[in-house]
Amino acid sequence: DTAVSQTPKYLVTQMGNDKSIKCEQNLGHDTMYWYKQDSKKFLKIMFSYNNKELIINETVPNRFSPKSPDKAHLNLHINSLELGDSAVYFCASSRTAKNTEAFFGQGTRLTVV
Amino acid sequence: AQSVTQPDIHITVSEGASLELRCNYSYGATPYLFWYVQSPGQGLQLLLKYFSGDTLVQGIKGFEAEFKRSQSSFNLRKPSVHWSDAAEYFCAVGGGADGLTFGKGTHLIIQP
Repeated sequence: DTAVSQTPKYLVTQMGNDKSIKCEQNLGHDTMYWYKQDSKKFLKIMFSYNNKELIINETVPNRFSPKSPDKAHLNLHINSLELGDSAVYFCASSRTAKNTEAFFGQGTRLTVV
Repeated sequence: AQSVTQPDIHITVSEGASLELRCNYSYGATPYLFWYVQSPGQGLQLLLKYFSGDTLVQGIKGFEAEFKRSQSSFNLRKPSVHWSDAAEYFCAVGGGADGLTFGKGTHLIIQP
């Protein structure tokens, strides 16, 4: 049983397209996140949600829109994809919004061509 | 603002030798500190964490880390590395609703 699962694992798409990445956690956690890992492996938080409510929205273009239909799911939709969006996107969850450890999915490698 | 510095981008260690990966942090309050490992093409796996209490924390896979407040450090150690330890290692601070702030990672290479 995968605790935090993301789909797809790989995504290759053309510039200008719209795409979504799905994330589900079966840990019963309240808080979910999206992180971006760039080509130099630097990880930076994009969004955090607590019980379906947006908590953190870092400096991310408006083309990125997270959606949390319930607290077990946090999807990431990206409009008008650009070359610079190519990265690995990680979903994560933590038990609460206090300082508990985060559990990460396997990542989605997005390549924009 | 919180930050994490991992001064070593690459470290090469012989199999069976000891390992120490350095991590320095900047954080306004009592830090919550973590070490994660990322194998090629994989997600991040938590090795260990420090929230409070004993400053020497034990983790999985034989790793340990020591929190030193006076030095703002949280270095990761292992007495004897195995070839399977080759990976990218990330130190992180924070957590909760604000998420984690990561260092830039240390790439560990194991020589036979």
